[in-house]
Parts: sequence; structure tokens; C-alpha cells
Amino acid sequence: GAGVSQSPSNKVTEKGKDVELRCDPISGHTALYWYRQSLGQGLEFLIYFQGNSAPDKSGLPSDRFSAERTGGSVSTLTIQRTQQEDSAVYLCASSSYYNGYTFGSGTRLTVV
Amino acid sequence: SQELEQSPQSLIVQEGKNLTINCTSSKTLYGLYWYKQKYGEGLIFLMMLQKGGEEKSHEKITAKLDEKKQQSSLHITASQPSHAGIYLCGADGSGSEKLVFGKGTKLTVNP
Repeated sequence: GAGVSQSPSNKVTEKGKDVELRCDPISGHTALYWYRQSLGQGLEFLIYFQGNSAPDKSGLPSDRFSAERTGGSVSTLTIQRTQQEDSAVYLCASSSYYNGYTFGSGTRLTVV
Repeated sequence: SQELEQSPQSLIVQEGKNLTINCTSSKTLYGLYWYKQKYGEGLIFLMMLQKGGEEKSHEKITAKLDEKKQQSSLHITASQPSHAGIYLCGADGSGSEKLVFGKGTKLTVNP
């Protein structure tokens, strides 16, 4: 597609449940990022995929968080046993060397 | 990785006034990016700067990168309520480093 697509746009889940957030990057973009933005806060880096290299997972806040990128394209961010502090907007971005970074509209996660 | 500091954290101006937002890096910047975000929405790309001394303008917004490539400023001329939002600067390192962001500057423009 023309932009970065994220789904769902909104997700309400019960505490303790697992959730999966999806990001469909721009075709041909080699790099893919996940960020988290809590209310009134800046963007917190979570994880970064670049081509076939091992992902940079240094921003994942706990082992409940994981992400994968299949076939160098679609990525899924999984949060296990969700907690209320996981409530935030999760943003995905993709980039190529020449075209900068394009962000999706985000998934608003609410843990109740 | 880069650490970016933005100032001010928030800014309230009267419509028609000029304003400047600053972004300072702990390291030499490879690429510096300015984004705008409105509440509940994604990030809108504004400008990218890569060369020391570079300056780019779009409509009433001008972004500059200093010669040492450690500081950038975003200047809005004759602000309008449509300029309101959160302005974020982001930077990556030497091409393969991850993109990190400052904490953002919340701009309010009063009519």
C-alpha cells in the first residue's frame, strides 16, 4: 500500500490477556520500528528490524514483550499477560535508506 | 545511541506570533527529522536535515541544522491555530543506528 498500515486501530483487553498488534510496512522498506507512546509522553523505542540482521530489542520493557517480522515484511508485536501500565499508543514505522521514516496511525491499547 | 533534548517542553503563543523550538543532541547527528503529532493521531513528517548548516522551509515552517550537526531549530512564522500540536525531533546515527526521539514540545496557539 501507499503507507504504513497498523491494525487494529483500537484494542481494549482485559488485564492478563495476550494481545497481538500488526504492522504492514511500505513495500520495499528494509527497516521497521516499533515505538510506544504513553499519554502525554514522548516516543519510547521498543524494537528495530533492519533487513536480515538480528533485531535490536534493547527497548523492550520486559520479557512479556516480543516482536517478529516475517519474510522481511509484516511485523507483529505481542504483549503477553497484559498489565494496565501497558496501555498506550503503539506506533510502527518503516524506512528505506533514501526515503526517511514513515509512521502508521498507531494502535491504541487499553488494558482494563 | 543518540539522546535528544527538546526545549521548551511546552509553548503557548498568540496567533500571529513567531516561535522557535530547539533540539540538541548528545552526539553528532547523521539525520535529523522533525515530525508533528496531533492528539490521538500518527506522526506527520515535516522535514529531514542531514548537512551541517542546512536549512529547509515549507510554508511557514523553517528548520535548521547547525554546522556542527548537534543542534536543530524549528521556527514557525506568523503562527496559526492549525500549527498547534506536539513537535518531535528524531535522529539516527551513522545510518544503521535506530531512530530515537526527543520528548516533544507541545505547542498551543491561541486565536
